[in-house]
Amino acid sequence: EVQLVETGGGLIQPGGSLRLSCTASEFTVSNNYMSWVRQSPGKGLEWVSVTYIGGTTYYADSVNGRFTVSRDNSKNTLYLQMNSLTAEDTAVYYCARHGQQLILSWLDTWGQGTLVTVSS
Amino acid sequence: EIVMTQSPATLSVSPGERATLSCRASQSVTSNLAWYQQKPGQTPRLLIYLASTRATGIPARFSGSGSGTEFTLTISRLQSEDLAVYYCQQYNNWPYTFGQGTKVEIK
Repeated sequence: EVQLVETGGGLIQPGGSLRLSCTASEFTVSNNYMSWVRQSPGKGLEWVSVTYIGGTTYYADSVNGRFTVSRDNSKNTLYLQMNSLTAEDTAVYYCARHGQQLILSWLDTWGQGTLVTVSS
Repeated sequence: EIVMTQSPATLSVSPGERATLSCRASQSVTSNLAWYQQKPGQTPRLLIYLASTRATGIPARFSGSGSGTEFTLTISRLQSEDLAVYYCQQYNNWPYTFGQGTKVEIK
């Protein structure tokens, strides 16, 4: 079964850092476009980043310069390194696979999400 | 950034009736629009992509239409299991953006 599993969420103080992991099953992360999307408690969905097959990543303005996406192909895992966290970053973070290997594509597979809470 | 506006915010529909959800883009997104369903406590699930193509395993009672800036998701005969928040999302321009969601309630 095609699946994504996120880990690494938790409670972190403002200004702190956290790294989220997203491990895929039954498909290869490096052969797909992948995104991170977040959802603040009780709110809607916000795109965080999109990573192309070649590794190029685009970030939302709200996280640009603070968040970094990387991949470990040997572990079939995508990472989201989050630095300088603020309360505004509190959300459930989902990783998701794009439905086709094109820049313009939808998200056809989502992980279960991992909750990040930024609070003192 | 393209702003996606969904209406209504909440829709109350009786089982077996039709539910019509709207999504408007602040500029044309051609047909690069998707709809997602998020049931309470669950992960979003892809329903529709390319504005009108049902994703794998999605029942035929869900249909999408529209292009450019105006889009519609129709649930032809609402079932109790369709209780959820529905989001539209454009992927025509970065940053990809979501609507704020329409909550479908069972009357």
